Amino acid sequence: AQSVAQPEDQVNVAEGNPLTVKCTYSVSGNPYLFWYVQYPNRGLQFLLKYITGDNLVKGSYGFEAEFNKSQTSFHLKKPSALVSDSALYFCAVTNNNAGNMLTFGGGTRLMVKP
Amino acid sequence: SQTIHQWPATLVQPVGSPLSLECTVEGTSNPNLYWYRQAAGRGLQLLFYSVGIGQISSEVPQNLSASRPQDRQFILSSKKLLLSDSGFYLCAWSQRGRSIVYGYTFGSGTRLTVV
Repeated sequence: AQSVAQPEDQVNVAEGNPLTVKCTYSVSGNPYLFWYVQYPNRGLQFLLKYITGDNLVKGSYGFEAEFNKSQTSFHLKKPSALVSDSALYFCAVTNNNAGNMLTFGGGTRLMVKP
Repeated sequence: SQTIHQWPATLVQPVGSPLSLECTVEGTSNPNLYWYRQAAGRGLQLLFYSVGIGQISSEVPQNLSASRPQDRQFILSSKKLLLSDSGFYLCAWSQRGRSIVYGYTFGSGTRLTVV
């Protein structure tokens, strides 16, 4: 069975500082990884994905994520945080088996203080 | 382009009343459809998913049921709501067999408060 762990319930950073939101996964076969963002009372929005290729993936709003196969991690990063980045972030994984169901992590709340 | 519609946006219902939440997808055919519940602004709980008309898989036993009367329509229902049914309900769709490429697309959610 596949699983995703987001070890931090909340990450606090100051505006302008770099941010990292951690994600580790477990899946059989090749992983396909996603990050989503959720603003209050809204649905999840796609940020970025890793399918194959370059381990550093760039996405929306200046976010990027680094795929590390040996550490089974897919941490979300941004060089300079904005207050408007404050939201709930979800990591998700699937594989190429039948069904392609995504498994989501428990979410990490990012708080960016001015 | 594909879009997903979910309504209503907010709903306040008394305990014991019925529930019907609707989700429709446009611009695609044969989608996989999903209902999630999110409590207290945190993790997602998969409630139901469907790979075709009339085909519903339930992930957790609960007071809710789902139906898919048409290819792009997914309905979440309850005959008698409980206080514990309160939460934020999200519908999502994915292209069949293509989740690894495109992931899921989520609706805007329904905030249900049972009083």
